[in-house]
Amino acid sequence: GAGVSQTPSNKVTEKGKYVELRCDPISGHTALYWYRQSLGQGPEFLIYFQGTGAADDSGLPNDRFFAVRPEGSVSTLKIQRTERGDSAVYLCASSLLLDNEQFFGPGTRLTVL
Amino acid sequence: AQTVTQSQPEMSVQEAETVTLSCTYDTSENNYYLFWYKQPPSRQMILVIRQEAYKQQNATENRFSVNFQKAAKSFSLKISDSQLGDTAMYFCAFISMEYGNKLVFGAGTILRVKS
Repeated sequence: GAGVSQTPSNKVTEKGKYVELRCDPISGHTALYWYRQSLGQGPEFLIYFQGTGAADDSGLPNDRFFAVRPEGSVSTLKIQRTERGDSAVYLCASSLLLDNEQFFGPGTRLTVL
Repeated sequence: AQTVTQSQPEMSVQEAETVTLSCTYDTSENNYYLFWYKQPPSRQMILVIRQEAYKQQNATENRFSVNFQKAAKSFSLKISDSQLGDTAMYFCAFISMEYGNKLVFGAGTILRVKS
């Protein structure tokens, strides 16, 4: 595709449920990033992949959050036992190797009831 | 720790006029990059302009320009000839290779362009 895509666009779930958020990066981009944007705030870093491996997962808030990128392209952010505080927009971005410009997707708005 | 501060939660400007958005940052690094991103209600984060810290010349992109003061750790965005389509949230962001290739964002400034 021409840009980074994310699915679903919106996700409503109940407290305690499991959710998966998907990110399709720009073709050929080896680096992939996940950020979380709470209402009225700037995005905060969660995790960064270089290829298939997580190069930096220091932003994941706790062990309920996990992300994978098994083939070095599509990535899935997984949240177990969701809490109301997990409600936010989850943004994905990708970039070329060693390039500083990150291209963002439209985000997934997660609402935990 | 790397921090980015945007002290103006909201700004308004009349169409066709000029507005400046402020940003300061804190880092001990020498090699880094600064960005301004625009986020309209669609949520799509769009890169407006970027500045390499090693370059003294201020970056410009059409109606958008920056005032980069490295010693003061200041990076303001000037929008000239404001248009209604410039209405959005604007984020200042910082990245350094030493800090791990992740963007650090400010809290954002809501800009409203009035007709």
